[in-house]
Amino acid sequence: DAGITQSPRYKITETGRQVTLMCHQTWSHSYMFWYRQDLGHGLRLIYYSAAADITDKGEVPDGYVVSRSKTENFPLTLESATRSQTSVYFCASSYRESQPQHFGDGTRLSIL
Amino acid sequence: GENVEQHPSTLSVQEGDSAVIKCTYSDSASNYFPWYKQELGKRPQLIIDIRSNVGEKKDQRIAVTLNKTAKHFSLHITETQPEDSAVYFCAAGQETSYDKVIFGPGTSLSVIP
Repeated sequence: DAGITQSPRYKITETGRQVTLMCHQTWSHSYMFWYRQDLGHGLRLIYYSAAADITDKGEVPDGYVVSRSKTENFPLTLESATRSQTSVYFCASSYRESQPQHFGDGTRLSIL
Repeated sequence: GENVEQHPSTLSVQEGDSAVIKCTYSDSASNYFPWYKQELGKRPQLIIDIRSNVGEKKDQRIAVTLNKTAKHFSLHITETQPEDSAVYFCAAGQETSYDKVIFGPGTSLSVIP
């Protein structure tokens, strides 16, 4: 689905650095989500947002910060990256809660 | 909160055979159950979903069944093909709630030609 794009696709950084992953959707979906995907854990929700300026914690929010000043953007920031945050990160959006989520292509983040 | 378990974690079938993946959930208030397919290196994509007002839903070779009393639901793929090889995720959530959908850990399906 080209309507939701993530950048960068790949990122390598060092521990302690700040990293921001970008997510942009063109459908004007109200809901947006950030997941991390690790082997054996499936998709775990980090943060979600029901609308601009409304965000809430998911299952694994520690070490992450989000903002949503505009409906179409939902950036995820790792304020001080740790090796345990090495993962594949997926952004998703949906028209409303529990409606099918449309995923981006993911960002593969490696923290050395 | 909701907890979703999924079995088996890996599944190999011969081409043309059927595949069944089972999920259980813990929150009796959950009423929305989507299934996602993720091919290697790609994004998860919705393949079918079911809501609690129905017990079964079919879409060509794919079907999902739901047993709300037992709190489990299953994905059935008939006449499997090599392109069905992927990781499949079940999920459970509340359709009318602010709440999020919780994913199971995934099942890696391999269809052997």
